[in-house]
Amino acid sequence: GAVVSQHPSWVICKSGTSVKIECRSLDFQATTMFWYRQFPKQSLMLMATSNEGSKATYEQGVEKDKFLINHASLTLSTLTVTSAHPEDSSFYICSARDYQEYQETQYFGPGTRLLVL
Amino acid sequence: AQSVTQLDSQVPVFEEAPVELRCNYSSSVSVYLFWYVQYPNQGLQLLLKYLSGSTLVKGINGFEAEFNKSQTSFHLRKPSVHISDTAEYFCAAGRGGKLIFGQGTELSVKP
Repeated sequence: GAVVSQHPSWVICKSGTSVKIECRSLDFQATTMFWYRQFPKQSLMLMATSNEGSKATYEQGVEKDKFLINHASLTLSTLTVTSAHPEDSSFYICSARDYQEYQETQYFGPGTRLLVL
Repeated sequence: AQSVTQLDSQVPVFEEAPVELRCNYSSSVSVYLFWYVQYPNQGLQLLLKYLSGSTLVKGINGFEAEFNKSQTSFHLRKPSVHISDTAEYFCAAGRGGKLIFGQGTELSVKP
């Protein structure tokens, strides 16, 4: 199947700093990528839909000024957590949509664990 | 609105026994259905998907699922599990990109 990578795999930062997470589709082009957040022992919650060349679409309750998304190319989307606080500590997972022959599938990255001290 | 319900939060089973993980969905439109597996501290790996056609879908690692439109279910099955199948399993539904996930089922395979 298609491969999606994330970088970094984990990051520890001080409260108030910003953290950028990269999501790349390695062997296919993705006009649409998604960002999810997962708390321990819980399911994935969609944060936003990242569209190449246009603004991201955020889910209700997600602060767009805090979670900045940029989808500058067909293989790269970035999520920047601005002025991070301890409550932003979580597991962030991206996915990329592959659309071939009228069939779509989302492929997920390995996730980025963020710990804000 | 769409919703996905996984009926069991935890399923303990002995090695080589069969297992079924249950998933029901609710949607006013036709959707695609997926099962993903998540190992500790990792992202999600696609097990199988139902888009159209045959209602019995075969996936990786010996898993299969059956789409039942009348019961709005998409249960995941494996005839004989291994210790390595211990993981969290997520059922998801969606179309047009956005996926709605169930709460997850923790499969624990014991020797």
